[in-house]
Amino acid sequence: DGGITQSPKYLFRKEGQNVTLSCEQNLNHDAMYWYRQDPGQGLRLIYYSQIVNDFQKGDIAEGYSVSREKKESFPLTVTSAQKNPTAFYLCASSMSSEGYGYTFGSGTRLTVV
Amino acid sequence: RKEVEQDPGPFNVPEGATVAFNCTYSNSASQSFFWYRQDCRKEPKLLMSVYSSGNEDGRFTAQLNRASQYISLLIRDSKLSDSATYLCVVKTMDTGRRALTFGSGTRLQVQP
Repeated sequence: DGGITQSPKYLFRKEGQNVTLSCEQNLNHDAMYWYRQDPGQGLRLIYYSQIVNDFQKGDIAEGYSVSREKKESFPLTVTSAQKNPTAFYLCASSMSSEGYGYTFGSGTRLTVV
Repeated sequence: RKEVEQDPGPFNVPEGATVAFNCTYSNSASQSFFWYRQDCRKEPKLLMSVYSSGNEDGRFTAQLNRASQYISLLIRDSKLSDSATYLCVVKTMDTGRRALTFGSGTRLQVQP
């Protein structure tokens, strides 16, 4: 079955550490996205990529970095520069580079301890 | 001002009730509109797109008023399984941004 896989489901990070969240899709989608959701809040766009080797900042890119070396993969690194990283991170993909028809992964819950 | 605004609720309604959610968006260049459903601690899933003429999918009806920059979702004959958070989502083309913008969501609790 085609889908989008995020791992790990839960992640704990010590302050000052970088961590990388994995996102893999086998839907042959061109576009991929990272969103962050805080309790009681909507989704906020971190980064997105319309094609391989290209990506754009979203609304809250500071303290995060991404790469898009393969069509299937769009990992997100939460760096130590991100001051409040505890949140629910959602990865999505879309066949259209215009941003329609999202398929979401099941998310990664990151907690700073 | 947020680009997409929703009443956070919660809306507590009995089974069988009709409930309506509203959403306003600030950018008049917004071109595409959607309602997503998100269950507790899960990922959002597309409920329905919203078309200018209004559209219906079973018990769900979506309406768009471009003049007032207002979107609505009506749920008839509420079921317990409708309990979730409903996210209003817009796509704006004028900023060059190729991604969807999500509202904060309206929480619905259907009670027996």
